[in-house]
Amino acid sequence: NAGVTQTPKFQVLKTGQSMTLQCAQDMNHEYMSWYRQDPGMGLRLIHYSVGAGITDQGEVPNGYNVSRSTTEDFPLRLLSAAPSQTSVYFCASSYSWDSGNTIYFGEGSWLTVV
Amino acid sequence: SQQGEEDPQALSIQEGENATMNCSYKTSINNLQWYRQNSGRGLVHLILIRSNEREKHSGRLRVTLDTSKKSSSLLITASRAADTASYFCATDAVSSNTGKLIFGQGTTLQVKP
Repeated sequence: NAGVTQTPKFQVLKTGQSMTLQCAQDMNHEYMSWYRQDPGMGLRLIHYSVGAGITDQGEVPNGYNVSRSTTEDFPLRLLSAAPSQTSVYFCASSYSWDSGNTIYFGEGSWLTVV
Repeated sequence: SQQGEEDPQALSIQEGENATMNCSYKTSINNLQWYRQNSGRGLVHLILIRSNEREKHSGRLRVTLDTSKKSSSLLITASRAADTASYFCATDAVSSNTGKLIFGQGTTLQVKP
C-alpha cells in the first residue's frame, strides 16, 4: 500500500491564481481531511469528509473547496490564492470518522503564494 | 475552538535522558492521541489513550491522561538522537459526532548525541 499520496510536493503560485492539491489513499478509508500547518499554529483543519459525496468545513475553510466523488480521492482547491495561504498542507485519512482511529498523513505539500 | 496546548514548546536533552511533554485541553474528550513529526515529513501516529484510561505504554513511550485536570503527558524514556522531532497531541470533543481531531502547537524535542 502506498498510504496517503499528495501531489505536488512543492508549488509556487501568484496571487489570484487557482490550483488543486491532489490527495489519494489506497486503504479504503472512509474519513479524509485536509490540514494546514503554520509556524506556531499547529495543524488546523480545513475541510473533512466522512465518506464519498459528503464534505464539511473545519476550522479554517475560507478560500478552499473540496469534493469527494470517490472513496480514494479528496482534492483541495484554492480558488484565488492569497499570500495568507502560504503554508504546508497535509492530507490525512482514517478508517472511519470515529476519533479512536489512527490518522494516516501524507508527506505534505509546500505552497508559497507570492 | 478546543485545542490542545503542549508544554514546553521546545525541549533539549542529552541522549539517554527521559523527555516529558505535556498537553492540556479545554473540553471533555473521547480520545487523545499523540503524533510525531520529523522535520519536513508528515505526522506519524504514536499512541492513543481513551478517556476511560489513565495510562498506556508502547515501547519506550508512556502516556498518562488526567481527565479531571484535562491534561496528558508523554514520556519518552532513554531517549535517542533519532527521537529528535516535534510531538503533537490531538483531541476530539465529546460533543462532536464527526471525529474531528484538533491538534496542539507541538513540542519540539532535540536529543543531543
